Amino acid sequence: DAGITQSPRHKVTETGTPVTLRCHQTENHRYMYWYRQDPGHGLRLIHYSYGVKDTDKGEVSDGYSVSRSKTEDFLLTLESATSSQTSVYFCAISDGKAQETDNEKLFFGSGTQLSVL
Amino acid sequence: KQEVTQIPAALSVPEGENLVLNCSFTDSAIYNLQWFRQDPGKGLTSLLLIQSSQREQTSGRLNASLDKSSGRSTLYIAASQPGDSATYLCAVQDSNYQLIWGAGTKLIIKP
Repeated sequence: DAGITQSPRHKVTETGTPVTLRCHQTENHRYMYWYRQDPGHGLRLIHYSYGVKDTDKGEVSDGYSVSRSKTEDFLLTLESATSSQTSVYFCAISDGKAQETDNEKLFFGSGTQLSVL
Repeated sequence: KQEVTQIPAALSVPEGENLVLNCSFTDSAIYNLQWFRQDPGKGLTSLLLIQSSQREQTSGRLNASLDKSSGRSTLYIAASQPGDSATYLCAVQDSNYQLIWGAGTKLIIKP
């Protein structure tokens, strides 16, 4: 999976608890992304990062925050998890910004299955 | 607002058949269209990327076409094999460089 590790792979938590998902890359790519995938829907962008401490919101950012203190790590935090945040979360990386070029490929991690009860 | 649709949601065919997966989009102002493969419990793997100026791209038994004017793309898989079983997703990069995704077609190749 192009040197991308997501942890944990599975998580079950209760409504109202904080949850942090981690994405770790060994490719030294500048851009990192968090997506969620829900049945019947395409992937939706939550947040992305274009460098250390540089992040921006995606299409469905409400209820989520991110941090990137090192090039290789991108953390996604659900401050107070809700049942609507039950989903599969994917981290992706790219060398250039997919949002600024027309030929940029994304590489994905294996995903984290999160269940909020 | 750009919308991407993939029909059917699921498809089952016997091994050896040639098949076509469909992807349609509502706004022809796109920079590129990409096809991805997703295996259960795994991430997505990029298969083909067609830039807006191109009509098709080929990789092995896969051929993807793009018709911007009609808002359609097809992914042709020749001589299907059980190992081709997966979910196939398409995504378009719109005029704001945002990736808009279809929900995918789950393909099952029966031995």
